[in-house]
Amino acid sequence: ETGVTQTPRHLVMGMTNKKSLKCEQHLGHNAMYWYKQSAKKPLELMFVYSLEERVENNSVPSRFSPECPNSSHLFLHLHTLQPEDSALYLCASSQEAVRHSPQHFGDGTRLSIL
Amino acid sequence: QKEVEQDPGPLSVPEGAIVSLNCTYSNSAFQYFMWYRQYSRKGPELLMYTYSSGNKEDGRFTAQVDKSSKYISLFIRDSQPSDSATYLCAMSADRRGSGTYKYIFGTGTRLKVLA
Repeated sequence: ETGVTQTPRHLVMGMTNKKSLKCEQHLGHNAMYWYKQSAKKPLELMFVYSLEERVENNSVPSRFSPECPNSSHLFLHLHTLQPEDSALYLCASSQEAVRHSPQHFGDGTRLSIL
Repeated sequence: QKEVEQDPGPLSVPEGAIVSLNCTYSNSAFQYFMWYRQYSRKGPELLMYTYSSGNKEDGRFTAQVDKSSKYISLFIRDSQPSDSATYLCAMSADRRGSGTYKYIFGTGTRLKVLA
């Protein structure tokens, strides 16, 4: 296993469902991130975790709930999502979160809300 | 004004052409400059990473930073159909005091290299 792995790759869910996205990094990094990528928009940072502690939450609605049980795993729990939440959700990791270090991305989960 | 501006394209070039991709930015605090390549149905892949002004070369790719003009470029020599992808610029600045560093992306330029 190399790099950053995200599962599932595709997810279709109704507005009342609850589902979770999973991310695992094999780079020995200490920081992990969730981003939202929508068409024709820059990547939107959602959450930042440093050594399992959430250090940033960019005004994300509470229907998105992150969890970081250890420095290698990151989850995004989803419930009662809206159609505008349909997007590509990307996980990234970097050596640390406080000082600059390049971020490495997984291939994302393509989420569609019916 | 957006912090980072990037032409979305698409940019179509013939195989073998030299490609120039650019971003402008407004925040003079940015110190680190990255280029990512994103193929369809894939995540962004870190391509080039530079600190401050100057040039950096890696094979057919050259990254150029002009901090005085707040302008960064990625040049691709001898472009190939396999270079067809979306190229995202990103830039970063350490935050003074507490908090994480700031990492901002452009919207991406879609490149098509025609065989």
